[in-house]
Amino acid sequence: AQSVSQHNHHVILSEAASLELGCNYSYGGTVNLFWYVQYPGQHLQLLLKYFSGDPLVKGIKGFEAEFIKSKFSFNLRKPSVQWSDTAEYFCAVRVKAGNMLTFGGGTRLMVKP
Amino acid sequence: KAGVTQTPRYLIKTRGQQVTLSCSPISGHRSVSWYQQTPGQGLQFLFEYFSETQRNKGNFPGRFSGRQFSNSRSEMNVSTLELGDSALYLCASTETSGVREQFFGPGTRLTVL
Repeated sequence: AQSVSQHNHHVILSEAASLELGCNYSYGGTVNLFWYVQYPGQHLQLLLKYFSGDPLVKGIKGFEAEFIKSKFSFNLRKPSVQWSDTAEYFCAVRVKAGNMLTFGGGTRLMVKP
Repeated sequence: KAGVTQTPRYLIKTRGQQVTLSCSPISGHRSVSWYQQTPGQGLQFLFEYFSETQRNKGNFPGRFSGRQFSNSRSEMNVSTLELGDSALYLCASTETSGVREQFFGPGTRLTVL
């Protein structure tokens, strides 16, 4: 069965710092990859997704992620974080027909003003 | 378009009772997935329904069941509640074609005493 690992459980940054959150998955076949964000008290919402093509994908709010197939990684990046980016971030993988997502354990990001 | 709605938003039950949670997907979406979110286990897939048929099932005991109606609304049921069933239960509605983005509802917070 596939699995997803997020290495950083808690990250604390100051505003304007750069962000990189790691995500690795274990599955040898074709994958769809996602990053979701959960702001305090709000729904899970999609930040960005990768299905195929250009491995560098751009999402909402200035986030981007790079798919590196050889490393089974899909790391999330943002050049300059804002206080409003404080949230929990989840990496997820979809590997087969249907819509089952396998999520990583999440990374709680706190941005200090 | 209205988003995914889940009812009730909060629920308190005691051990041994059963509970039914409801989810109304976005209009036109025929796939509904359910996830359990806990601090210890993170987000775990329960099951997916598509056109009234269960298409995928996660690794949960048989006490967890679900169904989908002809209007795509879905219910999940948990029988013989245990303390460990306390969690946020999320419903996700997926586009039928195209990129098949999953849209999540606000969740039902279940507390088992």
